[in-house]
Amino acid sequence: QQQVKQSPQSLIVQKGGISIINCAYENTAFDYFPWYQQFPGKGPALLIAIRPDVSEKKEGRFTISFNKSAKQFSLHIMDSQPGDSATYFCAASRGGSRLTFGEGTQLTVNP
Amino acid sequence: NAGVTQTPKFRILKIGQSMTLQCTQDMNHNYMYWYRQDPGMGLKLIYYSVGAGITDKGEVPNGYNVSRSTTEDFPLRLELAAPSQTSVYFCASSQGQGAYEQYFGPGTRLTVT
Repeated sequence: QQQVKQSPQSLIVQKGGISIINCAYENTAFDYFPWYQQFPGKGPALLIAIRPDVSEKKEGRFTISFNKSAKQFSLHIMDSQPGDSATYFCAASRGGSRLTFGEGTQLTVNP
Repeated sequence: NAGVTQTPKFRILKIGQSMTLQCTQDMNHNYMYWYRQDPGMGLKLIYYSVGAGITDKGEVPNGYNVSRSTTEDFPLRLELAAPSQTSVYFCASSQGQGAYEQYFGPGTRLTVT
């Protein structure tokens, strides 16, 4: 009930393309869905987050799409840049205290 | 603000040795967390704390202990290190009380041989 499944495990995109990473969750009590970005040798950092009362949230080139009925959410990176190359983690929590993370997606954006 | 700091950055332990991973935050956050990160496995919660004197187990607590005597510090203790504890360990903190963003430290890379 606490799992968050993330796909794909790795993704290669050309500069300017769209990167899409998907996550699915099981626990319907989750009420907070963040995406974290991690560069090699660094700790994860919050990229964007959404609550289940909205279906989409956009911040610059990054958009979260949320489908409550399907228990799925996804990260879209528009106009992907080489500097976006990193590992991306989706996560979910109930009440914000304990995050359950997906397995991570290693994104490579080729110049 | 230094944010969340962790020491050491790297450590090699022999099987059966013990050590403490240090974590300090200067943001006056109530909540603190310890995660381990293994390749392809995401981050797994080891222990967390919602305030000084209060700790609770996460998903993978076996082989670890924590204490929270102050708001700033949340050390993680490994007793009788095993090769399965080879991992990268991250400490994080959050304000709590509706402010959910977790701020992560730079990590400690631990190898047990």
